[in-house]
Amino acid sequence: ELKVEQNPLFLSMQEGKNYTIYCNYSTTSDRLYWYRQDPGKSLESLFVLLSNGAVKQEGRLMASLDTKARLSTLHITAAVHDLSATYFCAVDPDPFQGAQKLVFGQGTRLTINP
Amino acid sequence: DVKVTQSSRYLVKRTGEKVFLECVQDMDHENMFWYRQDPGLGLRLIYFSYDVKMKEKGDIPEGYSVSREKKERFSLILESASTNQTSMYLCASSSNPGVEKLFFGSGTQLSVL
Repeated sequence: ELKVEQNPLFLSMQEGKNYTIYCNYSTTSDRLYWYRQDPGKSLESLFVLLSNGAVKQEGRLMASLDTKARLSTLHITAAVHDLSATYFCAVDPDPFQGAQKLVFGQGTRLTINP
Repeated sequence: DVKVTQSSRYLVKRTGEKVFLECVQDMDHENMFWYRQDPGLGLRLIYFSYDVKMKEKGDIPEGYSVSREKKERFSLILESASTNQTSMYLCASSSNPGVEKLFFGSGTQLSVL
């Protein structure tokens, strides 16, 4: 059974600092997704990582995937308050079986203080 | 933009009631999903459907059923609601092939009293 674990689960940081959220998963997969959720809102897709070594960047967020280590990271550069949200990673355990049956991590609640 | 619409934002039901949660998507997506979200547990897949009238169990199907009579609509049914089904329910859809991201609805917060 695939398990997806994020750490930290809670992160409070100051504006302007850098930090990394880690996503570990327990079985082989080369398909990993990052989502963002604002309080009271739904999930918004950030990145889809489809192969070992994949790196994607959007603004102050950069995601990478190491399938051999079964690890993805979401790096935040020079954080700003608008990035405060809960971030989820999700792994597709069976990427060649049609519909994406994602297994989600617990989520990392990120709070960025002025 | 893809729109996934869930019929209710908040619902309060009594134990033993039959509950219907409705979801409609407007992008002709083949795949539709129902997740529940609980604090500290992330999202867990209840059921999904990859075509009209086709459904498959996810990780936690017990106590739930689904219906997909039309491509754009996917319903989650709680046959006899229980208090442990109090949760946020999220519907999602996606297109094939299976690399595409999921688009989520805004969620239904269900309270079972």
